Amino acid sequence: ETGVTQSPTHLIKTRGQQVTLRCSSQSGHNTVSWYQQALGQGPQFIFQYYREEENGRGNFPPRFSGLQFPNYSSELNVNALELDDSALYLCASSSGTGGSRKETQYFGPGTRLLVL
Amino acid sequence: AQKVTQAQTEISVVEKEDVTLDCVYETRDTTYYLFWYKQPPSGELVFLIRRNSFDEQNEISGRYSWNFQKSTSSFNFTITASQVVDSAVYFCALYNTNAGKSTFGDGTTLTVKP
Repeated sequence: ETGVTQSPTHLIKTRGQQVTLRCSSQSGHNTVSWYQQALGQGPQFIFQYYREEENGRGNFPPRFSGLQFPNYSSELNVNALELDDSALYLCASSSGTGGSRKETQYFGPGTRLLVL
Repeated sequence: AQKVTQAQTEISVVEKEDVTLDCVYETRDTTYYLFWYKQPPSGELVFLIRRNSFDEQNEISGRYSWNFQKSTSSFNFTITASQVVDSAVYFCALYNTNAGKSTFGDGTTLTVKP
């Protein structure tokens, strides 16, 4: 086990709704990254948070947003859900950033989101 | 732009066979990290190895070994004497230290038959 937890494990929503996914980082890790993994594909980077600020973003629209809290837990929010948002959402925690970044990311078990 | 290519979509072997999973990457960065992850059906990505761009030494860990060839931008993964429990999807990933993101390949599904 990596010590990274995510909730919920599964979620079903309808198109147009909003969803919030949660991630608890491994103890001592101050950096969290979120990935979207569609069926049969590799994870795609959504964004990264370091010390409560966004620290990098992939090619995802603004309706994908995030928060990181002082205890380094994190949320991924998706507004106006589309059918293509159906995927496994993974969060990964690591420690440090910039020159002192610890590059090994430890992944949680993911949240499977189905949009109908 | 970064890219990771895992040309083998699926591989099927019989237990005890050796198997090599290929990974080719593209990046303009001089400093980067390469990873291999295992993803069992449960979905969690299990970290296997990290290699930085300045360290081309091959590594062996039990039945696993990795061959990093910077000249050909490849980071191949070999499982010796495969076992049924090795069946999973394996991902190669390239980590960009500046952007703080990992770029993954599309994975290789390995099936080890008894």
